[in-house]
Amino acid sequence: GQQVMQIPQYQHVQEGEDFTTYCNSSTTLSNIQWYKQRPGGHPVFLIQLVKSGEVKKQKRLTFQFGEAKKNSSLHITATQTTDVGTYFCAGPQTSYDKVIFGPGTSLSVIP
Amino acid sequence: NAGVTQTPKFRVLKTGQSMTLLCAQDMNHEYMYWYRQDPGMGLRLIHYSVGEGTTAKGEVPDGYNVSRLKKQNFLLGLESAAPSQTSVYFCASTGPRGSYNEQFFGPGTRLTVL
Repeated sequence: GQQVMQIPQYQHVQEGEDFTTYCNSSTTLSNIQWYKQRPGGHPVFLIQLVKSGEVKKQKRLTFQFGEAKKNSSLHITATQTTDVGTYFCAGPQTSYDKVIFGPGTSLSVIP
Repeated sequence: NAGVTQTPKFRVLKTGQSMTLLCAQDMNHEYMYWYRQDPGMGLRLIHYSVGEGTTAKGEVPDGYNVSRLKKQNFLLGLESAAPSQTSVYFCASTGPRGSYNEQFFGPGTRLTVL
């Protein structure tokens, strides 16, 4: 069946360092979503990418959708303690009904 | 506009007990979902609904039942709780039908089964 993987599983960085998480799907995706979950909180939608090769920025966060629409990345420039949390990617399954979430990358930022 | 709400927030059950988790949304969304989250496992879909009166199985449906009698509510039932069902349960909703949109999550229910 369809699988969505993320690497790394955990990342510890010093405040001010950059961070990147990668998402890979076993199948081509029509779009990909990214969510952030703060410790003890619930997932919150960050962005959706639709086009092949698309790049979107939200302040220090840069999201990219691969040319083959099977992978995506989230890059954070100059991490801050407010970036702490788990970042999930999610891709649609065969219909509009549901998506499959990756296992997430947990980011720790050391002040 | 409360978004997605879940009750209860915390619950401790003994093995074999039953309970119902309630999810409510006020965004008129067609789709509603129940996920469970375990350490290192991400979010796994238990059951979902594409509209009032409809339900479907997700990735890990065994041991759970659901109902969607009203569009705004989605109930998750555990008939005979087992320790393996200790988890954090999230409800989510999205809409409209026929397009991919962000999912809105509730605050979660932390369930411990002893």
